Amino acid sequence: AQSVTQPDIHITVSEGASLELRCNYSYGATPYLFWYVQSPGQGLQLLLKYFSGDTLVQGIKGFEAEFKRSQSSFNLRKPSVHWSDAAEYFCAVGVGNDMRFGAGTRLTVKP
Amino acid sequence: GAVVSQHPSRVICKSGTSVKIECRSLDFQATTMFWYRQFPKQSLMLMATSNEGSKATYEQGVEKDKFLINHASLTLSTLTVTSAHPEDSSFYICSALNPGQSFGYTFGSGTRLTVV
Repeated sequence: AQSVTQPDIHITVSEGASLELRCNYSYGATPYLFWYVQSPGQGLQLLLKYFSGDTLVQGIKGFEAEFKRSQSSFNLRKPSVHWSDAAEYFCAVGVGNDMRFGAGTRLTVKP
Repeated sequence: GAVVSQHPSRVICKSGTSVKIECRSLDFQATTMFWYRQFPKQSLMLMATSNEGSKATYEQGVEKDKFLINHASLTLSTLTVTSAHPEDSSFYICSALNPGQSFGYTFGSGTRLTVV
């Protein structure tokens, strides 16, 4: 079955520490891959997306993600987290015209 | 960049009444728009795909008579929650597909619906 999995429901990191949010997908072909961020009560903001080419994708706000076909993964990383990064993060895949979301990972940033 | 305006951002209505939510693409024409529902602390669940000039395609389990979708123009899709009940209270988000971009989805800022 087609699915998007974000294994971590909640992650807490200290400000200035590095961050990695995990995302795995299960689709028949390589889908289009996205990471979005959502602040409370707000819509979604696109951080980055991958279609093809270089498997390391740079996004906004200092985020990057690496597509690993062998692991069906598209993990989001940031070398140094800021307090303003606290939010909900969603991995999503696009197949055809559809976009399907993972369950989300809530990021808490400790001072 | 592409902008999608969703209105209202918050609405409170009484049980049994209907509520209309608008989703507008401001600087591009969107033949396809999507409506999602998000429960607290949960992910977005696709409710329906709205295609300009034709009937919406609903996901399994979504009542099409309860959630009426109209996509009458290339820049506007509306979601009407009919005969709303407290269990319809949720956060509703639309997105519009910009045909000028590869997988150019742009999301609205969402509508918090509370049915009392």
